[in-house]
Amino acid sequence: DVKVTQSSRYLVKRTGEKVFLECVQDMDHENMFWYRQDPGLGLRLIYFSYDVKMKEKGDIPEGYSVSREKKERFSLILESASTNQTSMYLCASRLDRGSDRSYEQYFGPGTRLTVT
Amino acid sequence: AQRVTQPEKLLSVFKGAPVELKCNYSYSGSPELFWYVQYSRQRLQLLLRHISRESIKGFTADLNKGETSFHLKKPFAQEEDSAMYYCALRIWDTDKLIFGTGTRLQVFP
Repeated sequence: DVKVTQSSRYLVKRTGEKVFLECVQDMDHENMFWYRQDPGLGLRLIYFSYDVKMKEKGDIPEGYSVSREKKERFSLILESASTNQTSMYLCASRLDRGSDRSYEQYFGPGTRLTVT
Repeated sequence: AQRVTQPEKLLSVFKGAPVELKCNYSYSGSPELFWYVQYSRQRLQLLLRHISRESIKGFTADLNKGETSFHLKKPFAQEEDSAMYYCALRIWDTDKLIFGTGTRLQVFP
């Protein structure tokens, strides 16, 4: 069973703080993703990564950066947290090899971040 | 521009009633579509994808390229179907998924 874990379920930070959200997957997946999930807006892609040290911007990268130093770990960084970054953050991973289910993304449980 | 539209935020039905969750897409390439589901207090997970042409938990979805739709259907809703449902479009030759805004399905006893 694929397991995607996120370091925190709930996080409360102050405006201007630097925030790290960690995601780890245990299935040797090449591709990893960070989304934010907001009511009425659905899931929006922030960043994704095809491989170690590789990253690409998603649809809403402003205010965020990412780090992928090891294959299993993908970190989302809020350089200076703002109240409009209060949201649910979901990490996902995917196997980048040919298989019938190869385009399934496996999601973590989410981190609910509140910025005050 | 690529877009996925789910026009209903909330769909409420009684147990045993038919269910149809609507999804329309806008995409100039060859579409690959998915339905993801999130049950209460559980993680988001894949329900079905159009390429597989399968029925999962009694749900089916047919890709209609003429109407650019991928509606999710179930003939007889169950209480355990209550969840948030997201339609998603994969951009060809990338890993990017474009998600709709989601529809919350409530099935009453």
